[in-house]
Amino acid sequence: KAGVTQTPRYLIKTRGQQVTLSCSPISGHRSVSWYQQTPGQGLQFLFEYFSETQRNKGNFPGRFSGRQFSNSRSEMNVSTLELGDSALYLCASSFSGAFFEKNYGYTFGSGTRLTVV
Amino acid sequence: GIQVEQSPPDLILQEGANSTLRCNFSDSVNNLQWFHQNPWGQLINLFYIPSGTKQNGRLSATTVATERYSLLYISSSQTTDSGVYFCAVDAPITQGGSEKLVFGKGTKLTVNP
Repeated sequence: KAGVTQTPRYLIKTRGQQVTLSCSPISGHRSVSWYQQTPGQGLQFLFEYFSETQRNKGNFPGRFSGRQFSNSRSEMNVSTLELGDSALYLCASSFSGAFFEKNYGYTFGSGTRLTVV
Repeated sequence: GIQVEQSPPDLILQEGANSTLRCNFSDSVNNLQWFHQNPWGQLINLFYIPSGTKQNGRLSATTVATERYSLLYISSSQTTDSGVYFCAVDAPITQGGSEKLVFGKGTKLTVNP
């Protein structure tokens, strides 16, 4: 069974540009969530999507956005990149239901390492 | 919001030694997971353990939900065990019916040959 696939693995962008990251969850998982990891702030929740709907968003500016497609694949976008956006972006999938069904844990992808110069 | 504290922050061992990593959390949680982050950044799921005890080879974990802590045991450590170990709890979110993981700051383990 394939794991969570994130592309690309590495990215270098210039300040002011925008970037799109992709995540394909485990087959059958409908929930995809995104996390940002930096040395200073650690691992922080960005947002979570379920059945093409954003169910919750972390405390990040509006430059961070995402979406989910009907096949559960998700993309996140960061516009007007800043140096502080340099981070490892991790995607996780879980078998989560629509109405507080039991979550059996999260599986993470390998991450996308974004460097903003 | 819920707080997750891990200790110790750093741990240096000689190969073959045993160790215990601790995770304290400040409120009731639905789930708890232990992860190992490898040098390439991937979070490898070690245990999904909201309560009770589980074992997987040289690793085992115990969560006492009523006392809000979890322990990860590593026996006969190997150099490949080096990396950062994270505890993360699944905190309910009141709006939207979505839960999220709240991570501790991690324990950096170095196993020397």
